[in-house]
Amino acid sequence: KQEVTQIPAALSVPEGENLVLNCSFTDSAIYNLQWFRQDPGKGLTSLLLIQSSQREQTSGRLNASLDKSSGRSTLYIAASQPGDSATYLCAVFYGGSQGNLIFGKGTKLSVKP
Amino acid sequence: DTAVSQTPKYLVTQMGNDKSIKCEQNLGHDTMYWYKQDSKKFLKIMFSYNNKELIINETVPNRFSPKSPDKAHLNLHINSLELGDSAVYFCASRQGADYGYTFGSGTRLTVV
Repeated sequence: KQEVTQIPAALSVPEGENLVLNCSFTDSAIYNLQWFRQDPGKGLTSLLLIQSSQREQTSGRLNASLDKSSGRSTLYIAASQPGDSATYLCAVFYGGSQGNLIFGKGTKLSVKP
Repeated sequence: DTAVSQTPKYLVTQMGNDKSIKCEQNLGHDTMYWYKQDSKKFLKIMFSYNNKELIINETVPNRFSPKSPDKAHLNLHINSLELGDSAVYFCASRQGADYGYTFGSGTRLTVV
């Protein structure tokens, strides 16, 4: 069964810290992986998309890495800010006509001023 | 603005009613989706649809039906609403397998 796990479920850090969010997937034959951010009561905002052939992607203070063979991805957030507080979701696409994203349950991040 | 738009944002209705949620994307994407986020915030696929193929997640009750008048729209119709249908429903679209998904802002459905 294809499953995505995110650890930790919740994380609280002081402003300015660098932090890492973890995502693991049971089936390493992924097509690509996408990180999202969800603010309370809001939709999903795409942060980074990593193709299976890529090792990492960067956008501003965010860096996502992918180790397909070990079934892991990490989202690194540099110099965290209170505005980074949100739930971060990892989602894996395995290909196929359905185009189904398999989501983890998310990491709820709180950055304290 | 280029986006995926859903209406309504909130929907409160009684058990047994029939309701629809509308979704429109102006991104020119080929494929649209409906996802359900349950009370535990877990997201699961309900439907995927392009102009050639509708794929239904087998766990979705047949009271739920997607309707697509054209490539830019995928509406969700729900018959005989039940308490357990209360959730947030997200519409999404994507250009193709090599591209990321774009999600709408969600519709919070509450069945009373």
